[in-house]
Amino acid sequence: DGGITQSPKYLFRKEGQNVTLSCEQNLNHDAMYWYRQDPGQGLRLIYYSQIVNDFQKGDIAEGYSVSREKKESFPLTVTSAQKNPTAFYLCASSGERGGLITDTQYFGPGTRLTVL
Amino acid sequence: GENVEQHPSTLSVQEGDSAVIKCTYSDSASNYFPWYKQELGKRPQLIIDIRSNVGEKKDQRIAVTLNKTAKHFSLHITETQPEDSAVYFCAASSWGTALIFGKGTTLSVSS
Repeated sequence: DGGITQSPKYLFRKEGQNVTLSCEQNLNHDAMYWYRQDPGQGLRLIYYSQIVNDFQKGDIAEGYSVSREKKESFPLTVTSAQKNPTAFYLCASSGERGGLITDTQYFGPGTRLTVL
Repeated sequence: GENVEQHPSTLSVQEGDSAVIKCTYSDSASNYFPWYKQELGKRPQLIIDIRSNVGEKKDQRIAVTLNKTAKHFSLHITETQPEDSAVYFCAASSWGTALIFGKGTTLSVSS
């Protein structure tokens, strides 16, 4: 969905460095999500946030951190504690659409992170 | 927590044939079941979804069926075309929770 943007599209990191992935949405959605995608593994939930200043761990939160200071933004930090961070990272959001509250999730274009 | 199993992992069909992908879920509280299509290097796109108060939903060549008693739901694509080739993901959630995805099915449609 064009209302969700992620940057950068490609990101390279040296081992031992923290890196932050950006996710912004202008859909006025309350909920935002981060997923990690590896070949053959589907989409695995890292963190999600249903409201500003609140977030919950997903299935694979270890080595990641998030913040939700603004409704529009949900940045993800990949820390040096994440042992295998090379993956495709997808952000999504859900909320009101067409005047109705819906749990349908819409995805951003993704960030491909490679550890060198 | 919720666990979603998806089968098959790969599916090859001839153009014009039908394709069926099946998913099972574990949490009886789940009430929302979307299907996403993802082309190589792109974001997943919602193609159809179904809620627990409905048994079947159709949208042109695509249909989804839900059996809440057995906790499984299926995607049916009729009259497949080469442009249907992609990875398809099923997912499940209950209200206010995040989607949990299956591992995906790579569909190849040959002409």
